[in-house]
Amino acid sequence: QSALTQPASVSGSPGQSITISCTGTSSDIGGYNYVSWYQQHPGKAPKLIIYDVSHRPSGVSNRFSGSKSGNTASLTISGLQAEDEADYYCSSYRSNTTQFGGGTKLTVL
Amino acid sequence: QVQLVESGGGVVQPGRSLSLSCAASGFTLSSYPMNWVRQAPGKGLEWVALISYDGNTKYYADSVKGRFTISRDNSKNTLSLQMHSLRAEDTAVYYCARGHGYYLVYWGQGTLVTVSS
Repeated sequence: QSALTQPASVSGSPGQSITISCTGTSSDIGGYNYVSWYQQHPGKAPKLIIYDVSHRPSGVSNRFSGSKSGNTASLTISGLQAEDEADYYCSSYRSNTTQFGGGTKLTVL
Repeated sequence: QVQLVESGGGVVQPGRSLSLSCAASGFTLSSYPMNWVRQAPGKGLEWVALISYDGNTKYYADSVKGRFTISRDNSKNTLSLQMHSLRAEDTAVYYCARGHGYYLVYWGQGTLVTVSS
């Protein structure tokens, strides 16, 4: 059982926006601004798309955005594209460890 | 460019040991903390271990504490993971990843470890 809770799946049509939630506790998400998000396509290594709650690495589309409220972080993808279909994982610092969410499968209809 | 290449995976019997390596290139290994992250077949990501840039500080997930040892040789640009008393639930693709702050920017392509009799 993962320390951070994500929905198992979400879906959306091309051009729409979707939001993936990630719920933790005051010991991880709620206690630090160290939430990151990773995108993983089948058979590939994860790719960092958001760090420190809302920052995008160079080269990541501005269609990806992150936020946090209390113990819950969120990833929003706007203007959905077929290439966004992938698994998404949230992550947070917690007591000298890194906690991952269970992952969310995004299906672009 | 930054490159991380894992090796050492394979099939191993329960209770036996295995050692993984991660060869780093394109950056100065000694400047960054390094991590191992694993992913069981069809499952999510699980952080395994972290080692500080100088190797003096190490942290482990509870699931591997006392069985796995992370180490590094900055002079050889290599990260290692020694795994002992392996269990079926250790079966996974193991990734090495470069730390930056509290996130992982660069990942290797992974090496598969299968624990089976």
